Amino acid sequence: DQQVKQNSPSLSVQEGRISILNCDYTNSMFDYFLWYKKYPAEGPTFLISISSIKDKNEDGRFTVFLNKSAKHLSLHIVPSQPGDSAVYFCAASENYGGSQGNLIFGKGTKLSVKP
Amino acid sequence: DAGVIQSPRHEVTEMGQEVTLRCKPISGHNSLFWYRQTMMRGLELLIYFNNNVPIDDSGMPEDRFSAKMPNASFSTLKIQPSEPRDSAVYFCASSWDLLSGANVLTFGAGSRLTVL
Repeated sequence: DQQVKQNSPSLSVQEGRISILNCDYTNSMFDYFLWYKKYPAEGPTFLISISSIKDKNEDGRFTVFLNKSAKHLSLHIVPSQPGDSAVYFCAASENYGGSQGNLIFGKGTKLSVKP
Repeated sequence: DAGVIQSPRHEVTEMGQEVTLRCKPISGHNSLFWYRQTMMRGLELLIYFNNNVPIDDSGMPEDRFSAKMPNASFSTLKIQPSEPRDSAVYFCASSWDLLSGANVLTFGAGSRLTVL
């Protein structure tokens, strides 16, 4: 049973437009959420994160939004660039007495940004 | 730092053979993770070490899989005997598990295993 779900396997966006990648989770104990980006033949790389005490975190063109009541988070990329084409993984973890637990990953969404 | 180093990058073997995947974590990181990526299941955690001690191996699919971390700079994931369904990309990742911080993992480039 998947605790972190990315229901869209793929997304295609025009360069310059906004990309919105979605992620849902089922475990209400998750309190830290991350997005990773993965290019072919490389390992995933950390992109941006958000703690459950916030509902928004922004880093340049990337913004993550968290809706705890809906157990939903999203990653916005604006403006999208062809170099953003990659697989994006959503991940979540619980806090065990002050120490973060293991990351649980979604299956990923493949983003294609067309010139 | 060269990052997390995994070897081999590609391995093709025949069913029944033993496979050993290797990982060198980032110096100073005290947590090490082995993940497996498949189309069907995405990225799934196999096992997690903290200070060289296995903490959670509940993701190891069966007894054919074993992992060791003899010291802070080296870990192995062994499959014996290998089966075609073990074909996947295996990632090693490490982190500095800050008590009050977030567990941001740094991943290696992965080892692509094909079992014929």
